Amino acid sequence: DAKTTQPNSMESNEEEPVHLPCNHSTISGTDYIHWYRQLPSQGPEYVIHGLTSNVNNRMASLAIAEDRKSSTLILHRATLRDAAVYYCILRDPPPIIPLGNEKLTFGTGTRLTIIP
Amino acid sequence: DTGVSQNPRHKITKRGQNVTFRCDPISEHNRLYWYRQTLGQGPEFLTYFQNEAQLEKSRLLSDRFSAERPKGSFSTLEIQRTEQGDSAMYLCACGLSDTQYFGPGTRLTVL
Repeated sequence: DAKTTQPNSMESNEEEPVHLPCNHSTISGTDYIHWYRQLPSQGPEYVIHGLTSNVNNRMASLAIAEDRKSSTLILHRATLRDAAVYYCILRDPPPIIPLGNEKLTFGTGTRLTIIP
Repeated sequence: DTGVSQNPRHKITKRGQNVTFRCDPISEHNRLYWYRQTLGQGPEFLTYFQNEAQLEKSRLLSDRFSAERPKGSFSTLEIQRTEQGDSAMYLCACGLSDTQYFGPGTRLTVL
């Protein structure tokens, strides 16, 4: 599996934007970039994913570098409820099934602390 | 509540005892996963079901571990002869397409 590198921890002030980086220099051409987050005492939850183009949803934006060797998860206005561990994950493309639903390979993620 | 539920939420057991956890996934989600998470680490994949068929098992799933999904709906994870190293959070997830939906987990403590 292609690996990702994330900072162990980051801090941000409440109501300010947060940019969470992820390096994936060995990404293959068909790997999707997924982000999940895990709030304290909860299971992980899906945030966003993309392949090449930048993506936006109600939770966050995903900016993908042109060479796809890095990406950035953007929380536009952090709240205290965004304090969590954020995981950047590359999804192996399924060999046969068109819609991927393979296992997720988590790293240690970035622990985001929001300062009131 | 239409999310993933797991029971029990917490389990304390003595070394050598057997334990069983249950996961009730979101209805009609044909794919079900079990993960294990230890303190400070991300979740690690254990096993995967598509409907009732167990399609993949991690080498982490020793012969003391067994998982079932008999009717393609709920799933159980059993650990026999528990060891202190089995202490962890056991997470269940389900999915239909690209996204996986996780339950709150069962925290196992082996004394």
